[in-house]
Amino acid sequence: DAMVIQNPRYQVTQFGKPVTLSCSQTLNHNVMYWYQQKSSQAPKLLFHYYDKDFNNEADTPDNFQSRRPNTSFCFLDIRSPGLGDAAMYLCATSRDNQGKQYFGPGTRLTVT
Amino acid sequence: AQKVTQAQTEISVVEKEDVTLDCVYETRDTTYYLFWYKQPPSGELVFLIRRNSFDEQNEISGRYSWNFQKSTSSFNFTITASQVVDSAVYFCALSEAPPSYGNNRLAFGKGNQVVVIP
Repeated sequence: DAMVIQNPRYQVTQFGKPVTLSCSQTLNHNVMYWYQQKSSQAPKLLFHYYDKDFNNEADTPDNFQSRRPNTSFCFLDIRSPGLGDAAMYLCATSRDNQGKQYFGPGTRLTVT
Repeated sequence: AQKVTQAQTEISVVEKEDVTLDCVYETRDTTYYLFWYKQPPSGELVFLIRRNSFDEQNEISGRYSWNFQKSTSSFNFTITASQVVDSAVYFCALSEAPPSYGNNRLAFGKGNQVVVIP
């Protein structure tokens, strides 16, 4: 019944070693989002896709990239993770013009 | 710019007490959506309510109720007869409405950590 699925739930990577987080959805929503949430902070939007159109937030570091090969899947690539990138990464979806976002369970990233 | 303020960081209550979470927002938009999300320790953000700016009716859903006061730019959330399962972080959020093309951007408050003590 899960609608927004994130894998893995926990990811450990080494400093500087590229890592990819994945998100899939069964809702057929056309908008997908990636958020970064550090401890005791609010989620921070990194970027989102409206269909195939990529929308980057102005303050998202170049180290963060995303791919959306089809409606159901979206990936977050961190090219060279630093210790400061350790966080929970949340994927969300929405149907355009409805505002409500559906969140996945998140991937907790640890950088060693 | 949109801004959401949740002043209380951590609130502890004894089970069965009521708890009210304050949310004050700022926006220059005349139409907008307000949300509350719950984030339990598992990490997933769970949608609780969406309210658009033209609908100032208060809402009750079980033990949850929301008080929207446009005159004071507040959208407060009350949990009645709290239970241990209510322990979570609660986020208030704001977005433009209707969302423009590709923009459903949510502005989150910092969240309220609610601890319900058995």
